[in-house]
Amino acid sequence: SQQGEEDPQALSIQEGENATMNCSYKTSINNLQWYRQNSGRGLVHLILIRSNEREKHSGRLRVTLDTSKKSSSLLITASRAADTASYFCATDTTNAGKSTFGDGTTLTVKP
Amino acid sequence: GAVVSQHPSWVICKSGTSVKIECRSLDFQATTMFWYRQFPKQSLMLMATSNEGSKATYEQGVEKDKFLINHASLTLSTLTVTSAHPEDSSFYICSAKDSYEQYFGPGTRLTVT
Repeated sequence: SQQGEEDPQALSIQEGENATMNCSYKTSINNLQWYRQNSGRGLVHLILIRSNEREKHSGRLRVTLDTSKKSSSLLITASRAADTASYFCATDTTNAGKSTFGDGTTLTVKP
Repeated sequence: GAVVSQHPSWVICKSGTSVKIECRSLDFQATTMFWYRQFPKQSLMLMATSNEGSKATYEQGVEKDKFLINHASLTLSTLTVTSAHPEDSSFYICSAKDSYEQYFGPGTRLTVT
């Protein structure tokens, strides 16, 4: 079964609003990564957060990690129509690059 | 950052034929590469771990005789889908890790008619 579960499965918001996606996982991890995937395209790496980190920022993105709850969240602030995509979390339990993906959240940002 | 390429980006083949997909790390060496498969509107599922100079390690439920993996060099891994069937139609993505992080290829869309 997938290591990660994402919530919500689908999210629809208006441009300018913030979008929050959550990821829960089952076993201890070395790091957790968030990716974006536009329909029919490859993955775009967004942020990597290590198990000893609690929060990271990159532009309009903010990722938190709570290892005690085995969960992570991705916040996109001031969303744009171009943010419309599927977002996946992926956990690496071995630090060898073998990632297990969550089910993904489909984000739709309406202009 | 590092780049991982895949070739071809898309391929259409007839049922019963075999298709080879290449995954290359362009500016770093990767002793280990990973192959994923993604069906429409689903997540990525790890198929196998490709190890340079040794046999690949397959995930449970993935047929090693159907999905042949060859990691002949530190920059190239190939996935061959043998005797392809329409249910093998999918998006195949490889990844490789350098010293710092994992990089994904752009994916190969396989359509079996």
